[in-house]
Amino acid sequence: AQSVTQLGSHVSVSEGALVLLRCNYSSSVPPYLFWYVQYPNQGLQLLLKYTTGATLVKGINGFEAEFKKSETSFHLTKPSAHMSDAAEYFCAVSDRNTGNQFYFGTGTSLTVIP
Amino acid sequence: NAGVMQNPRHLVRRRGQEARLRCSPMKGHSHVYWYRQLPEEGLKFMVYLQKENIIDESGMPKERFSAEFPKEGPSILRIQQVVRGDSAAYFCASSPLEVAETQYFGPGTRLLVL
Repeated sequence: AQSVTQLGSHVSVSEGALVLLRCNYSSSVPPYLFWYVQYPNQGLQLLLKYTTGATLVKGINGFEAEFKKSETSFHLTKPSAHMSDAAEYFCAVSDRNTGNQFYFGTGTSLTVIP
Repeated sequence: NAGVMQNPRHLVRRRGQEARLRCSPMKGHSHVYWYRQLPEEGLKFMVYLQKENIIDESGMPKERFSAEFPKEGPSILRIQQVVRGDSAAYFCASSPLEVAETQYFGPGTRLLVL
């Protein structure tokens, strides 16, 4: 089974500072990789995904993530944090052969300090 | 194109009652997934269904939980004789393909068991 590790359950950054949220996966075959954002009492919104091709993926709201096979990582970044970025962020993977279920990390709560 | 619909958004039940959660997938999607999110945790896969078929229920508790996706109508997640530990957010997702490059999530049903 796949597993996903998100280092840092809580991350605080100042408004305008770099956002870096870490995600590592364990799989012998590179899976499909996803980042979702969840605002309070809402569902999950897809930020970006990597399935194939270019390893640097750009998503919505200025976020991007880079798939690094050698490091089994898919860290999420944004150059300049905005107050509206405060939310819970989940990294997820799915097996590219079966893809029936997504495996989620435990989430990282991002706080943006004015 | 409406997204994934879930109702109710909030559900309160007393111990021993039944909870029925409904999910209407996006138009054109015939694959439905249910996930449970316990407080302070990530989402955990419960079950994957296609129309009239349960494909993978490896994440479902062995007792009291059942799911269906009939030929007509929404998918239903049913929890019988609820206990306080069932209090959680239950999310439904849908995809158009068997090997889901993306799963689209509904807003969730937040179940509170008193």
